[in-house]
Amino acid sequence: LAKTTQPISMDSYEGQEVNITCSHNNIATNDYITWYQQFPSQGPRFIIQGYKTKVTNEVASLFIPADRKSSTLSLPRVSLSDTAVYYCLVGDKDSNYQLIWGAGTKLIIKP
Amino acid sequence: DVKVTQSSRYLVKRTGEKVFLECVQDMDHENMFWYRQDPGLGLRLIYFSYDVKMKEKGDIPEGYSVSREKKERFSLILESASTNQTSMYLCASRPAIERYEQYFGPGTRLTVT
Repeated sequence: LAKTTQPISMDSYEGQEVNITCSHNNIATNDYITWYQQFPSQGPRFIIQGYKTKVTNEVASLFIPADRKSSTLSLPRVSLSDTAVYYCLVGDKDSNYQLIWGAGTKLIIKP
Repeated sequence: DVKVTQSSRYLVKRTGEKVFLECVQDMDHENMFWYRQDPGLGLRLIYFSYDVKMKEKGDIPEGYSVSREKKERFSLILESASTNQTSMYLCASRPAIERYEQYFGPGTRLTVT
């Protein structure tokens, strides 16, 4: 299973767009990229997943370059309630879609 | 909305006690998971189940067992609780094996004294 690397923490301000980049240099052909959000004392919440190019839903966008060795989660116009830990994971069809969870990125939004 | 519930939010047990953590999902999901989450270590998979009566060991199964007698319910058992099992325990379900999104419960904070 491919491992991911992402910043330990990030700060931003309300109303800004926030981009969190994740590196997954060893991503395999069958791997998908998945992002989760976790608030304190709660379980993680699935945000978005993608394989290549760009995926957008009502919460976020996910940008994946052609080589797929990295991905960027984009949160538009963040608010204080977006303060959370964000996890980038790579799941592998050949490993029953299991995920390896890293430490995530702690995003702090300031007023 | 998918709902995953766990039997307790907080639990305090003594060393050597047998501990049962229950998880129930209401969306007819095939797969269910038990994780533990510790500061600095992220989520670590204990066991998962693809279907009723099926189970697979995760990364850290030692000291734990599981039971899945019904599709909606997945139980984690600590046969003889130890202090190093003090942790946050998270249950998750997934619609099917080829799907990546997992739906988590609120977690159980277990303290073993």
